[in-house]
Amino acid sequence: DVVMTQSPLSLPVTLGQPASISCRSDHSLVNTDGDTYLNWFHQRPGQSPRRLIYKVSNRDSGVPDRFSGSGSGSDFTLKISRVEAEDVGVYYCMQDRHWPFTFGPGTKVDIK
Amino acid sequence: EVQLVESGGGLVQPGGSLRLSCAASGFSFNTRWMRWVRQAPGKGLEWVANINEDGSEKYYLDSVKGRFTISRDNAKNSLYLQVNSLRAEDTAVYYCVKDGGSNWGQGTLVTVSS
Repeated sequence: DVVMTQSPLSLPVTLGQPASISCRSDHSLVNTDGDTYLNWFHQRPGQSPRRLIYKVSNRDSGVPDRFSGSGSGSDFTLKISRVEAEDVGVYYCMQDRHWPFTFGPGTKVDIK
Repeated sequence: EVQLVESGGGLVQPGGSLRLSCAASGFSFNTRWMRWVRQAPGKGLEWVANINEDGSEKYYLDSVKGRFTISRDNAKNSLYLQVNSLRAEDTAVYYCVKDGGSNWGQGTLVTVSS
């Protein structure tokens, strides 16, 4: 199975400041169609996960533009340009290039 | 608006069975892959099973192969997960998920305990 790692696992942030989460996979996530199948999800306490980013850098509908995804191959980053209070929770990267799809362990973001 | 509503969870003894259901609306159900993802209490997310648009392709997590069966009824816009031979480690919230995670239900809790 593809192993996804994230860092840091805990991220205290200051409101209004930027934040960044790293995600790495032990296999390339580039498909034969040329797309890279790496997604980012956000889960607030007590809620279902919500996808923020698909195929590395594409924001889902309704996702604020302060969220951005970047990276290639097996090394990826989620950035929040200015953290807001509603951004707390756990962020997961996930690959859907190889079955079984796998998630990273999650990065818990809270306010300092 | 896409809606996914799970049901069928509950408390079951080890070795028992349940049938989880997901009622879908707001999109063309018969044109989308559907999935089940689970989350053990306080833990991360784990893909359990996938099914393609017409039900002819199914994929399972190794640890549930032979015990879980994913199916769908496109006439009823419904997704199912038959879970048999349940173990304590299957205790989790089970989410119905559209495509690669674009939409999630609220989840249904399965608790396996004697």
